Amino acid sequence: AQKVTQAQTEISVVEKEDVTLDCVYETRDTTYYLFWYKQPPSGELVFLIRRNSFDEQNEISGRYSWNFQKSTSSFNFTITASQVVDSAVYFCALGSGNTPLVFGKGTRLSVIA
Amino acid sequence: KAGVTQTPRYLIKTRGQQVTLSCSPISGHRSVSWYQQTPGQGLQFLFEYFSETQRNKGNFPGRFSGRQFSNSRSEMNVSTLELGDSALYLCASSLGTGDGVNTEAFFGQGTRLTVV
Repeated sequence: AQKVTQAQTEISVVEKEDVTLDCVYETRDTTYYLFWYKQPPSGELVFLIRRNSFDEQNEISGRYSWNFQKSTSSFNFTITASQVVDSAVYFCALGSGNTPLVFGKGTRLSVIA
Repeated sequence: KAGVTQTPRYLIKTRGQQVTLSCSPISGHRSVSWYQQTPGQGLQFLFEYFSETQRNKGNFPGRFSGRQFSNSRSEMNVSTLELGDSALYLCASSLGTGDGVNTEAFFGQGTRLTVV
C-alpha cells in the first residue's frame, strides 16, 4: 500500500525566514510520481510540482525548491524568504500508473508579518 | 484556458436528503477524480472516471456514486445524507492518458457540503 507522511501538522514562521516542509513516502512501485499542492483558504488545491521516481535532480522555482531523495524516501519542500502570501496548507501526494493520488495529511504553514 | 469548475460552491442539506455535485474539467482532460476533505480524515479518494468509465474507486459506501458524460463533465451523487458527509468535495481533472503515466491533477475550488 502507498502512504505519505507529513509529520509537521503546523508550522509558524516570521516573514523572510526559510522553512522546509517534510514529506516521507512509502511505495513498492519502482515507477511513481510525487506531487506538492498548496491549498489557500479559498479551498482550491494549487498544483506546484510533479516529480517522477527516475529524476532525483533537485528543482528550484523562484523561492521554492524541492529535494527528492530516494534513499530516504523523502520529497521535501523549502520556501526561501517566506512571505505572508505563502500561508496555506501544503499537501504532498504520491501516485503511480493510473492509480489515484494518495495525499499526506497536510502541513499548515502560517507566515507572520 | 478555463480551470476546473465545480458547482455549487456551497450547499446545505438535511439528513436523509440526496445531493448532486457537478464538475467541469479542463478542456481536453478526460480524467475526473473526486475527493472528500474533512478535518479529521484529510483528503480521501472517492472515485475516478476516465472516458465515461469508472477506473478507480475508493473505500466509500454505495451511497456515493458518480458518472461522467461524453464531454468529460462529471457528477457525483450522495444519497441518504448523514451528518458525517459534511465536507469539502474536490474535483480534479487530468489528462489521464491511460498509459501508466500519472499526470498532474488540477483541482477545482470545491463544493462545501453541510448536512444538518
